[in-house]
Amino acid sequence: DIQLTQSPAFLSASVGDRVTITCRASQGINSFLVWYQQEPGKAPKLLSSSFQGGVPSRFSGSGSGTEFTLTISSLQPEDFAVYYCLQLDTLPFTFGQGTKLEI
Amino acid sequence: QVQLLESGGGVVQPGKSLRLSCEASGLAFTSSAMHWVRQAPGKGLEWMAIISSTGSTTFYGDSVEGRFTISRDNAKNTLYLQLNSLRLEDTGVYYCARADFLGSGSPLDIWGQGTVVTVS
Repeated sequence: DIQLTQSPAFLSASVGDRVTITCRASQGINSFLVWYQQEPGKAPKLLSSSFQGGVPSRFSGSGSGTEFTLTISSLQPEDFAVYYCLQLDTLPFTFGQGTKLEI
Repeated sequence: QVQLLESGGGVVQPGKSLRLSCEASGLAFTSSAMHWVRQAPGKGLEWMAIISSTGSTTFYGDSVEGRFTISRDNAKNTLYLQLNSLRLEDTGVYYCARADFLGSGSPLDIWGQGTVVTVS
């Protein structure tokens, strides 16, 4: 199975900061990686993806092969949540372990 | 209104069985691939299973293959997950989610609110 390693596991930041979360795959996954935001007690929400509209422009994803990043350009109060990457290249699909973004 | 609504969770003893349901409304269920994802208390997301739009193809994660079965009834717009031989570590929130197709690159774009399974 493909392993995804997210870093950092915890990230402390302030409103207005620019932050970057990294996801590394154990083998190449082309560009088949997406990001999710999960607020406490809620279902995950799809973020950066070419398939998804309605995502604020401050969220951007990049990468291919084995290294991917999610960047939030200017943190807003509602952005403090847990973020997960998910590889969609090879079954079984796998999630990263998550990054908790906190104030 | 686009919605996935899970049900069927509850408290169950180890070794017992449970069937979860996920009813879809407001979306093209019969042409969607469907997934199950779970989350243990305080832990991350774990991808569990996928089924094609017709139900002819299924695939499972390592931790549930052989114990859990994903199925669907397109006439009822409903997805199922049969959980057998339940273990303490199967405790968590179970989410259903849709994708455009079974295959590489199709993200899980609509999620249900989850149903809680407690094995105790």
